[in-house]
Amino acid sequence: DAGVIQSPRHEVTEMGQEVTLRCKPISGHNSLFWYRQTMMRGLELLIYFNNNVPIDDSGMPEDRFSAKMPNASFSTLKIQPSEPRDSAVYFCASSLGDRFQPQHFGDGTRLSIL
Amino acid sequence: AQSVTQLGSHVSVSEGALVLLRCNYSSSVPPYLFWYVQYPNQGLQLLLKYTSAATLVKGINGFEAEFKKSETSFHLTKPSAHMSDAAEYFCAVTPGFGNEKLTFGTGTRLTIIP
Repeated sequence: DAGVIQSPRHEVTEMGQEVTLRCKPISGHNSLFWYRQTMMRGLELLIYFNNNVPIDDSGMPEDRFSAKMPNASFSTLKIQPSEPRDSAVYFCASSLGDRFQPQHFGDGTRLSIL
Repeated sequence: AQSVTQLGSHVSVSEGALVLLRCNYSSSVPPYLFWYVQYPNQGLQLLLKYTSAATLVKGINGFEAEFKKSETSFHLTKPSAHMSDAAEYFCAVTPGFGNEKLTFGTGTRLTIIP
């Protein structure tokens, strides 16, 4: 079975540019999570969806960040405008939607904002 | 609210020695607990989970963990370390009911000494 697929794997862009990260969850999973990982702050949950509906976006840093899930097989995380402090590894994860089911992580997008 | 504390951000053990990674949790309701492993440039993978069945949980790669309610602990062990166990390990907690947000610890980097 294909796992969670994220693209791009690496992104380098200049400050002020729009960045779009993409995620394809595992087929049949109905919960999707976006995380950010940095050395300073560790692993932070940004937002999660259940059945394509945002359930908790309390971790989204500020209005520059937005996430969408237009259908069960695709989600995006957008940063506009980007800033150097947004540099991090962004992970997408999906699960079957029960709290005792594990989350399956993609390999992440390493984002560098110059 | 729930939280996890991982004691020791770095642990080094000799190949063949016992691995012990510590995790203490705080939860106002019965928790579900997870251990994940992260290899370089990869996402997190589930090692094992506790969901209120057996208190001793066996996972992949020879790891196991014991849920001790009296000590609010869920320590991860492996009898004999292998070089391939070198990675970062994360303990995570979610409440037994409510939403399915995971709260992660800050991680423990395990180094295996040949």
